[in-house]
Amino acid sequence: AQRVTQPEKLLSVFKGAPVELKCNYSYSGSPELFWYVQYSRQRLQLLLRHISRESIKGFTADLNKGETSFHLKKPFAQEEDSAMYYCAPFRGGYNKLIFGAGTRLAVHP
Amino acid sequence: GAGVSQSPSNKVTEKGKDVELRCDPISGHTALYWYRQSLGQGLEFLIYFQGNSAPDKSGLPSDRFSAERTGGSVSTLTIQRTQQEDSAVYLCASSLFVRGGNQPQHFGDGTRLSIL
Repeated sequence: AQRVTQPEKLLSVFKGAPVELKCNYSYSGSPELFWYVQYSRQRLQLLLRHISRESIKGFTADLNKGETSFHLKKPFAQEEDSAMYYCAPFRGGYNKLIFGAGTRLAVHP
Repeated sequence: GAGVSQSPSNKVTEKGKDVELRCDPISGHTALYWYRQSLGQGLEFLIYFQGNSAPDKSGLPSDRFSAERTGGSVSTLTIQRTQQEDSAVYLCASSLFVRGGNQPQHFGDGTRLSIL
């Protein structure tokens, strides 16, 4: 079965600390992976996708096929990064994203 | 606006009543998705529409749930004989469709459904 695991429900850090939000998936083949973010009182929105190999708001995510992971990282967390983060792999041919349970990131001053 | 629009934003109803939730996708987006977000839970896929193809209903939790999409645009999610466990935020998303690939999904604000 397709499965996405975000092991931490809550990640609490201080401003300026590094952040790593973990995501592991169990898929065969080569899925495409996304991170979505939901800030307080805003709608869920795309943060980044692995094929773009881009850095958005200082966040990066590397697909590790050997570990089947797609962890989201930022070297120096900011208070405005506080939000709910969802990892979502897309498996070609299945037409839908399977979202992880989400990790709430709380960045304290 | 150009985003996904959902209505109503909030719905409170009594157990046993039927409810209809509406989603107006971004113009030109042929793919439309419904998800459910329960308190403390992640997003649960419900149903997917793509063009004129048969919808993927694999996520609907029971036969009390149904959805339709008229004219390839607006979609309605209907829950019959609501139960308290149906209380959740129902999210709609739309995207472009590219065969063999995937396009980012754009989400609406959701409908917060509360069953008394």
